[in-house]
Amino acid sequence: DAGVIQSPRHEVTEMGQEVTLRCKPISGHNSLFWYRQTMMRGLELLIYFNNNVPIDDSGMPEDRFSAKMPNASFSTLKIQPSEPRDSAVYFCASSGDSRYIYSNQPQHFGDGTRLSIL
Amino acid sequence: EDQVTQSPEALRLQEGESSSLNCSYTVSGLRGLFWYRQDPGKGPEFLFTLYSAGEEKEKERLKATLTKKESFLHITAPKPEDSATYLCAVQALDSGAGSYQLTFGKGTKLSVIP
Repeated sequence: DAGVIQSPRHEVTEMGQEVTLRCKPISGHNSLFWYRQTMMRGLELLIYFNNNVPIDDSGMPEDRFSAKMPNASFSTLKIQPSEPRDSAVYFCASSGDSRYIYSNQPQHFGDGTRLSIL
Repeated sequence: EDQVTQSPEALRLQEGESSSLNCSYTVSGLRGLFWYRQDPGKGPEFLFTLYSAGEEKEKERLKATLTKKESFLHITAPKPEDSATYLCAVQALDSGAGSYQLTFGKGTKLSVIP
């Protein structure tokens, strides 16, 4: 079975440019999560969706960050304009089975996008 | 606020030298505690879920245990391929219906030397 697919794997761009990260969750999963990982802060949840609807975006650092999930098989995280302090590894994860509402289904992660803002 | 603290930050073991990693947590009510393994350049890979104090789960050389305040990941006779960063995460009972939010610790980087 295909896991969570993220693209691109690496992105290097200059400060001020728009960056778009993409994620395809595991088919049948109804929750999708965007995380950021840095050495200093570890894994931080940015935003998560349930059934394509954003549930909690309190982890989004600033208005420069936005995320969308137009359908069950695709999500984007956009940074505009980008800044050097946004450099990190961004992970997408999916979980859940729509048959289980109150569930402890584990989250399954993609291999991330390593973002470098110069 | 949910908190997860892992110790030690890094651990070097000789091949075959058993040890344990610690995950201490503070959460209003625990729905589940998760262990993940992360290899360099990869995303976290799910290992175990523990739900209640006293529960244990095993997979090959790994055994995870849970008390009301902490979890241990015991590694028995480790091999070099067990080298990775091990992450612990908690999910709180008050996460709400349809919500699967996890709070992660910063991880323990394990190195197993041949």
